[in-house]
Parts: sequence; structure tokens; C-alpha cells
Amino acid sequence: QVQLVESGGGVVQPGRSLRLACAASGFTFSAHGFYWVRQAPGKGLEWVAVIWYDGSKEYYRDSVKGRFTVSRDNSESTLYLQMNSLRVEDTAVYYCARDISRGVLLNWGQGALVTVSS
Amino acid sequence: QSALTQPPSASGSPGQSVTISCTGTSSDVGGYIYVSWYQQHPGKAPKLMVYEVNKRPSGVPDRFSGSKSGNTASLTVSGLQAEDEADYYCSSYAGGNSVFGTGTRVTVL
Repeated sequence: QVQLVESGGGVVQPGRSLRLACAASGFTFSAHGFYWVRQAPGKGLEWVAVIWYDGSKEYYRDSVKGRFTVSRDNSESTLYLQMNSLRVEDTAVYYCARDISRGVLLNWGQGALVTVSS
Repeated sequence: QSALTQPPSASGSPGQSVTISCTGTSSDVGGYIYVSWYQQHPGKAPKLMVYEVNKRPSGVPDRFSGSKSGNTASLTVSGLQAEDEADYYCSSYAGGNSVFGTGTRVTVL
């Protein structure tokens, strides 16, 4: 069955970095694009970054442009989110999600909590 | 990158129907068929309930249905059941990425 498992969350001070990983299984990883979606405590869903199936295109929401980088390793079926210069407002549960067509997110991971606090 | 607009809350009694609206622009909801709806229970990951306006993934009951008119999409939950109590988010492709709605909490009275 399809599985997406995030790892790498934790508590980090403002200005520091963190890298999230999302290990995928149960489908052809290289055939799909992926989203990172976050949800701040008590708030709604917010897309963060998108990467195409072959890694040729990436999109970022304005508030993370220049600080976050999405990447993928198709040989390892793993998606990454490198988060630099973290801010308190980046505190959220981060989900990876499989895109089956133009932003239709069929499968989601369990989420990784990132807390940015001094 | 503005969020789509949803009512904060909706409610209905068991067996009744509830409809949630999702208003965007011609650059997102009005411009594409790629409108989706997600259900999220507390502490859980979102679950895709409807995609491409009115299609349901395997395993989603046909009590969940979607529609769209112009820049507004809607999700209707018929025959409300206790387990339908959750947060619901719409989403629309906007060219390059999708945007989410503000979310609606559905309460089963």
C-alpha cells in the first residue's frame, strides 16, 4: 500500500536550519510530483512547496522563497525540504503529499512537527 | 497566493445535508477543473474526498458530492453521520501550485 513517512522534525531556534525527509513506498515515486503542506497550530492548511516528478520545476510560497528548498532523490524514493533561516512563524506540522494531477493530493504522510522557538 | 474563502462553520443533524462553499477567482477555481476537497479529523492528516470538482477516490462514500459554478465550488455531504464531523478544506489548482481554502468546521448536531 502507499506510504509516506516524514522524519526530521523537532525544536529549533530562530535563524537555524532543519531538513525534513519523506520516504515513499508502494508506488512509482519518479512518476509523481509532490507537495509540502504545513499547518500551524489551530490554523488551516497552507501549501509550502511543489516539485515536479522529475525535479525540473519547483514552486514556493512567497513567505519561504529563498529560505526553503524542495528536492527529491528518485533513486531512494525520498522527498526533502531544506529549511533555512527558520522563523517563529514557520512553526507547524509539515506534511508531504503525493500529487496525482494538478495539485490533487491523494496520499499524505502523518506529518512532522517543526517548532521554532528560542 | 490568497487562500480561497470558505465559511468558518456549518452544521446539520444526522441524516440531513450540509453544503460548504469555496470562493476563489478566475485564476483558480473559475479557471480549472482541478478543484478538490479534503476532510481532516483532529490530529490526523487530511484525506482527499472529492477531486476534479465531482469525482470521488475509491472508498469515499457517495454521500460526498462536489459541484462548481463560475468562481465558486461546493461540497455537499448528504445523510450526515457522526463521523462526518471534521474540518473540510477546498483546494484549487492555480497554475504551478494549488491553493487551499480557509477551512470549514462541520458539526453534526
